[in-house]
Amino acid sequence: AQSVTQPDIHITVSEGASLELRCNYSYGATPYLFWYVQSPGQGLQLLLKYFSGDTLVQGIKGFEAEFKRSQSSFNLRKPSVHWSDAAEYFCAVGLLDSSYKLIFGSGTRLLVRP
Amino acid sequence: ETGVTQTPRHLVMGMTNKKSLKCEQHLGHNAMYWYKQSAKKPLELMFVYSLEERVENNSVPSRFSPECPNSSHLFLHLHTLQPEDSALYLCASSHHPVQNSPLHFGNGTRLTVT
Repeated sequence: AQSVTQPDIHITVSEGASLELRCNYSYGATPYLFWYVQSPGQGLQLLLKYFSGDTLVQGIKGFEAEFKRSQSSFNLRKPSVHWSDAAEYFCAVGLLDSSYKLIFGSGTRLLVRP
Repeated sequence: ETGVTQTPRHLVMGMTNKKSLKCEQHLGHNAMYWYKQSAKKPLELMFVYSLEERVENNSVPSRFSPECPNSSHLFLHLHTLQPEDSALYLCASSHHPVQNSPLHFGNGTRLTVT
């Protein structure tokens, strides 16, 4: 069955430090890949997406993600974290055989130390 | 302003009440979704409407009843809910298919069933 794993439930980094959030998926083909962010009391906002082509994709707010087919991973990175980045981050995959269904990971909550 | 507006933001209801959640999108999308977000669980897709027709119903109990009168509005009618139905209910919209058009989420309705 298809699944998305975000192995880190919580991550704490200091402001200005670099960040990497992990995402692994299980699917028989290369899916469509997304990262969303959810701030407290709000819905999810799209950070970036990968459909095909260059495996390093740039998103909003200075985030980037790299698709690695051999590792079935789509890790999110940011070189220097800001306090406003504290939020919950969700990785999601879109399946080729479903026009509507996204499978979401359980999320990683990012805490930023001043 | 997310382009997807949900009302109310908070709702407390007893198990014998009937209430409705409302979602409105101003993005010109043709697909709308209801998701349930519970603590420590991945987002669960409940219903999908495309061009006002229900195209997905993920084994949701009949105490949840969706309605999509037009492509801009989506309702979730609630009756005789259980305490375990307490969660954040998120509405989203997209162009079809979702793989090529990421989801745009509202800020959600926080539902508490007492």
